[in-house]
Amino acid sequence: DAGVIQSPRHEVTEMGQEVTLRCKPISGHNSLFWYRQTMMRGLELLIYFNNNVPIDDSGMPEDRFSAKMPNASFSTLKIQPSEPRDSAVYFCASSTITGGVGNEQFFGPGTRLTVL
Amino acid sequence: GNSVTQMEGPVTLSEEAFLTINCTYTATGYPSLFWYVQYPGEGLQLLLKATKADDKGSNKGFEATYRKETTSFHLEKGSVQVSDSAVYFCALTTGGFKTIFGAGTRLFVKA
Repeated sequence: DAGVIQSPRHEVTEMGQEVTLRCKPISGHNSLFWYRQTMMRGLELLIYFNNNVPIDDSGMPEDRFSAKMPNASFSTLKIQPSEPRDSAVYFCASSTITGGVGNEQFFGPGTRLTVL
Repeated sequence: GNSVTQMEGPVTLSEEAFLTINCTYTATGYPSLFWYVQYPGEGLQLLLKATKADDKGSNKGFEATYRKETTSFHLEKGSVQVSDSAVYFCALTTGGFKTIFGAGTRLFVKA
């Protein structure tokens, strides 16, 4: 059974370019989460969706960041324009919500983004 | 608000030593508690969990007991191996979608 799939695994880009990260959650999961991880700030929740609807995007750092979930099997996180301080590992995770309480989250392998 | 506090790392141990990583939490209601592990170059993965007071979660020789009276969920292992070197995250969920993660504790195990 496939886990959470993220692409690309590595991305190197120049400042000012648009970056799109992709995620395919586990089939049947109804919640999807985007995180950013850096040495300085640790693991940060950026945004999460339930049944394809964004529930809380208060963790999105700036308007340069946007996320979409057009269907239950696909989500994107876009950075436009990218800046060197956006360099980090970005994780996607999916989960199910049962009885109003979150269950364990399943993380993808991450996308390591480097902005030069 | 809900929060998780875990001991700062790094923790450095010799192989076969006893491990404890402390975790305490603040939460309204009755949270579920988790330990996740992150190996180098990978995403987080669930190590163990407990969903109610006095439950003990266990996996791969690790265990943690949900202590409501001390709001704690300390991770223990009797004999660590080099392959246990990783970052360990304590976490909780309550009513709602989010999981609240601790800052993570890095463990180094020397041969």
